[in-house]
Amino acid sequence: EAGVVQSPRYKIIEKKQPVAFWCNPISGHNTLYWYRQNLGQGPELLIRYENEEAVDDSQLPKDRFSAERLKGVDSTLKIQPAELGDSAVYLCASSPLGRLAGGSGELFFGEGSRLTVL
Amino acid sequence: KNQVEQSPQSLIILEGKNCTLQCNYTVSPFSNLRWYKQDTGRGPVSLTIMTFSENTKSNGRYTATLDADTKQSSLHITASQLSDSASYICVVPSLAYSGAGSYQLTFGKGTKLSVIP
Repeated sequence: EAGVVQSPRYKIIEKKQPVAFWCNPISGHNTLYWYRQNLGQGPELLIRYENEEAVDDSQLPKDRFSAERLKGVDSTLKIQPAELGDSAVYLCASSPLGRLAGGSGELFFGEGSRLTVL
Repeated sequence: KNQVEQSPQSLIILEGKNCTLQCNYTVSPFSNLRWYKQDTGRGPVSLTIMTFSENTKSNGRYTATLDADTKQSSLHITASQLSDSASYICVVPSLAYSGAGSYQLTFGKGTKLSVIP
């Protein structure tokens, strides 16, 4: 079975340019997460979806970041305009367990999208 | 505030040696703790989950323990191999009170282990 698929793996852009990341979770996984991970740090949540509903976007910088999961399957994370501080790895993860599991489910991560903003 | 602290931040050991990684948490209410292994350039992969009833688990050369009284978990690696070189991240979920089924996952910063020949 295919794992979580993310694209692109690497992206280099100049500041103020837009960028988008795509994630296809494991089939049947209703919960989808987007995380940002800086070098030497643990992942930080940007947004969590239960099906197509964004149930936790409190850490998403909404002035420049947006995300969607229109059909409750794949998801897109967009940054516009990008800033130097956005350079990081953007990780997508999915879980077969929903909110009632209280976060106890295993997260399955993609390989990540490494963004470099010049 | 929920926190997960890992130590050491980084560790270099010779191949074949043992090591122990620590995770201290202040998360309430506590239900479980999960260890992930993250190879360089890859996403984290779950190693094991620790709960009140399953507070010692072994998987090959990896043994994880949980002490709920002191709020500590350890990951012990025996006879280390080059392939053990990775970051090891500790994650603890906690229920939030903003709505039914709300929760947050608190991630540690990880311990970067380097095994050298």
